[in-house]
Amino acid sequence: RKEVEQDPGPFNVPEGATVAFNCTYSNSASQSFFWYRQDCRKEPKLLMSVYSSGNEDGRFTAQLNRASQYISLLIRDSKLSDSATYLCVVIPTGTYKYIFGTGTRLKVLA
Amino acid sequence: EPEVTQTPSHQVTQMGQEVILRCVPISNHLYFYWYRQILGQKVEFLVSFYNNEISEKSEIFDDQFSVERPDGSNFTLKIRSTKLEDSAMYFCASRTGFTEAFFGQGTRLTVV
Repeated sequence: RKEVEQDPGPFNVPEGATVAFNCTYSNSASQSFFWYRQDCRKEPKLLMSVYSSGNEDGRFTAQLNRASQYISLLIRDSKLSDSATYLCVVIPTGTYKYIFGTGTRLKVLA
Repeated sequence: EPEVTQTPSHQVTQMGQEVILRCVPISNHLYFYWYRQILGQKVEFLVSFYNNEISEKSEIFDDQFSVERPDGSNFTLKIRSTKLEDSAMYFCASRTGFTEAFFGQGTRLTVV
C-alpha cells in the first residue's frame, strides 16, 4: 500500500460547484497532515494544515479521520482560479519528512 | 513575506557533469529539505538536514548526492555525476518545528 494515496483525477467541475477530495495514508501513527496546492510547473504552496477537530478557511474545509486513516478537502463555490493540483501531505511519526501523494488535479470550468 | 529562494531557476548540464543547486532557506528556520519532482510524477523526498547534519535520506539520495550548509544561510545540493534520469524539478524547503514546510520556486535541471 502506498504511504499516501490520492485519486489523480482530473475532476472537472463547473464554476460554483462544491468538490471534495479524499486522501488515505498507510501509517496509522502519522502525526501531521496538510493540503498543498501546486500550479503547473510551480512549487507546492500550503493551502491548509489539517487538525484533528477539522478546520475551515473560507471556502475550504479539511477533515481528518484517524480511525479510517483518511483526510479530506472540501472546496465550496469553486472558482476558475482553484484549478490546480491538490497535494495531500503527511508526516509519519518518528520522521521529519513530508510524504506527498500523487496529487488530485482539479479543473474548474466556466 | 519571507520566502525560500533557489538559484538557478533552470540549469542545463551534460551527462556526467557535476551540478550544484543553491537554496537560501527562511532565516529562522531550522529544518531544511530537498525534494525532486520528475515531470508528471509526484514530489519525492530526497534528504532532510537539521543541526548541520543529514537527519534522513531516501533511497534516491545515493553517493552521487550530497548536501551542505556552508555559511549558515545557503543550503546546497550537489550531484556529482549527473545522469539523464536526474532531470527533474528540484525543490528546496524549510520549516521550523512541526509546522508546514515552505518551498522554493524550484530549479529545473535538464541533463542532456
